[in-house]
Amino acid sequence: DAGVIQSPRHEVTEMGQEVTLRCKPISGHNSLFWYRQTMMRGLELLIYFNNNVPIDDSGMPEDRFSAKMPNASFSTLKIQPSEPRDSAVYFCASSLALAGGHTGELFFGEGSRLTVL
Amino acid sequence: KQEVTQIPAALSVPEGENLVLNCSFTDSAIYNLQWFRQDPGKGLTSLLLIQSSQREQTSGRLNASLDKSSGRSTLYIAASQPGDSATYLCAVMGTGGFKTIFGAGTRLFVKA
Repeated sequence: DAGVIQSPRHEVTEMGQEVTLRCKPISGHNSLFWYRQTMMRGLELLIYFNNNVPIDDSGMPEDRFSAKMPNASFSTLKIQPSEPRDSAVYFCASSLALAGGHTGELFFGEGSRLTVL
Repeated sequence: KQEVTQIPAALSVPEGENLVLNCSFTDSAIYNLQWFRQDPGKGLTSLLLIQSSQREQTSGRLNASLDKSSGRSTLYIAASQPGDSATYLCAVMGTGGFKTIFGAGTRLFVKA
C-alpha cells in the first residue's frame, strides 16, 4: 500500500512568494492532519480535517496560512505571502478516525522541507 | 493541558546493549499512546500503538509499556544495532478527541 504522499519534498522560495504544499492521504483514511516541525518548537499541529471538513485550525499561525481538502484523496497547505520564519518541515499525516472522533494510528508522509529566503 | 516529556534527550550506546527510552505525560486520561521513529530528513514511522486499556505491545526487538496511573511509557529496545540510530518520539492522544501531543524525542546513537 502506498503511504501518505507529499509534494514537493523540497521547496526554496523567496520571501513574499506563494507556496503550495500537497498531500495525498492513505486511501480509506478519513482524518488528515498538517504538522510543522522545527528544531525550536518540535511538532506542531496546524490543522485537522475529518471527512474533508476542517475541524480545528487553531494551530494555523496566521491568516497567511490556509488549507483545503477538496476531496478524500487530496489536501493542500498554502502560505501566501511566505516569510523566512515559515522555514520548516511540513508534514501531512492521516489516520482512520475511531468511535467518538478519536484518532487511530497516525501515518506520516516524508514531509516537505520549506526554505524561505 | 497535556504535556509530554522524553528523557534523555540524547543517548549513545554500544552495539548489542539493551536500552530503555522514557516518555512521561501529565494527564493520565489518555486514549492511546504511539511510539515513532524518525530518521534524519525523513518522516515519522509508526513503531507501536498502545491503547489505554493495554499494558504493553511488542514488535520484534521492540517492546512498549504503558502505565497510565503513573503517566509513563517506556520503549525497550533489545540487542541494539547501528541501524536503530534515529530519533524516537512518543505521542499521546487524550480522551477528549483527536489531538495528539508529541514529546520532543530522544536522539539515539548506537555505536558499532
